[in-house]
Amino acid sequence: QKEVEQDPGPLSVPEGAIVSLNCTYSNSAFQYFMWYRQYSRKGPELLMYTYSSGNKEDGRFTAQVDKSSKYISLFIRDSQPSDSATYLCAMRRAGNNRKLIWGLGTSLAVNP
Amino acid sequence: DVKVTQSSRYLVKRTGEKVFLECVQDMDHENMFWYRQDPGLGLRLIYFSYDVKMKEKGDIPEGYSVSREKKERFSLILESASTNQTSMYLCASSFGGAYNEKLFFGSGTQLSVL
Repeated sequence: QKEVEQDPGPLSVPEGAIVSLNCTYSNSAFQYFMWYRQYSRKGPELLMYTYSSGNKEDGRFTAQVDKSSKYISLFIRDSQPSDSATYLCAMRRAGNNRKLIWGLGTSLAVNP
Repeated sequence: DVKVTQSSRYLVKRTGEKVFLECVQDMDHENMFWYRQDPGLGLRLIYFSYDVKMKEKGDIPEGYSVSREKKERFSLILESASTNQTSMYLCASSFGGAYNEKLFFGSGTQLSVL
């Protein structure tokens, strides 16, 4: 079993829809959680960063962490065609182990 | 604007060739990383470096080596390229300390080994 599971999609939604992207994980020691966005033929870019549990909002994006369920989510409100990309989750434990564990990414297409 | 620059976008090499992939960052970051990205396998860490002349193996270092002679430059070397090293190679950098997981990536090098 992989430490981080992420549905690869593809996910196709109409413009303006609310999008929910998710990752589950098995290691309860993970404390730092990230969402990266990767456009086609580009490197990933950091979108959201959260520590431990709770929500974090940035514009149309909300990152949610539920440590009791070992589940993280990224919500995109009022989705735009420019949001079409692959979204990767990543996480790591606290302490000196700095290794990031990555999900495989979910491909999202927002149709005008 | 922060920048991680990889020397080539596309590269085609022959089996057995020695291949150099170069990466330069202009953000004075302490940490630099080399990943490869393959469909169905995701991002896998090859090597990373937390300081000049320092290097540590990632998850898949076999067949690769690295060099970091200057803070801004991190090179990935394929000593004898093989077809199973055909992949997208991504370089990344980050600040040291607690925020090292906030990675800045280059645009990648798509390497084909024939």
